[in-house]
Amino acid sequence: AQSVTQPDIHITVSEGASLELRCNYSYGATPYLFWYVQSPGQGLQLLLKYFSGDTLVQGIKGFEAEFKRSQSSFNLRKPSVHWSDAAEYFCAVGANFGNEKLTFGTGTRLTIIP
Amino acid sequence: DARVTQTPRHKVTEMGQEVTMRCQPILGHNTVFWYRQTMMQGLELLAYFRNRAPLDDSGMPKDRFSAEMPDATLATLKIQPSEPRDSAVYFCASGSTAGGDTQYFGPGTRLTVL
Repeated sequence: AQSVTQPDIHITVSEGASLELRCNYSYGATPYLFWYVQSPGQGLQLLLKYFSGDTLVQGIKGFEAEFKRSQSSFNLRKPSVHWSDAAEYFCAVGANFGNEKLTFGTGTRLTIIP
Repeated sequence: DARVTQTPRHKVTEMGQEVTMRCQPILGHNTVFWYRQTMMQGLELLAYFRNRAPLDDSGMPKDRFSAEMPDATLATLKIQPSEPRDSAVYFCASGSTAGGDTQYFGPGTRLTVL
């Protein structure tokens, strides 16, 4: 069975500081991995995705993520956060470019302090 | 800018009433998903369709929930009768197996059952 673990429920960082959100997955085949962001009262916006190839993927809003097969991880990073990055972040795993069921982690809520 | 649209955005109803939520997938997308988000369960897949045919509805309570795609531009999720435990945010997402386009989410319908 596939699963996603986001070990940090809530993270607080200062504006301008770097950020890393952790994601570990369990999947029996080649994983298709995703990060989505959800602002309060909004839907989920796709930040980035990993299908194959280069293990460092770039996304929107200055985010990047690195796929590490040996660690079953797909951590999200940003070198310098902005107040507008405050939101909930979800890691997900699926198959077929994400066109089958996605299994989501429980999310990490990000708070930015001035 | 192609988007998934959902109506209504908010719905308050009384226990026992029928609720219908609608989704318009991105034009050309052939896969439509229904997810439910609650504080307790997080994001969970209810059902999904490909080319209007149901592929998996195992996450849906069969006795009261039903999902259909009357045509390629409309997906519906019905709850009859509704119960307070159905209060949640219901998201529709669409994707395309042609070209490997992944899931894009709509803004959600926030349902409150009193």
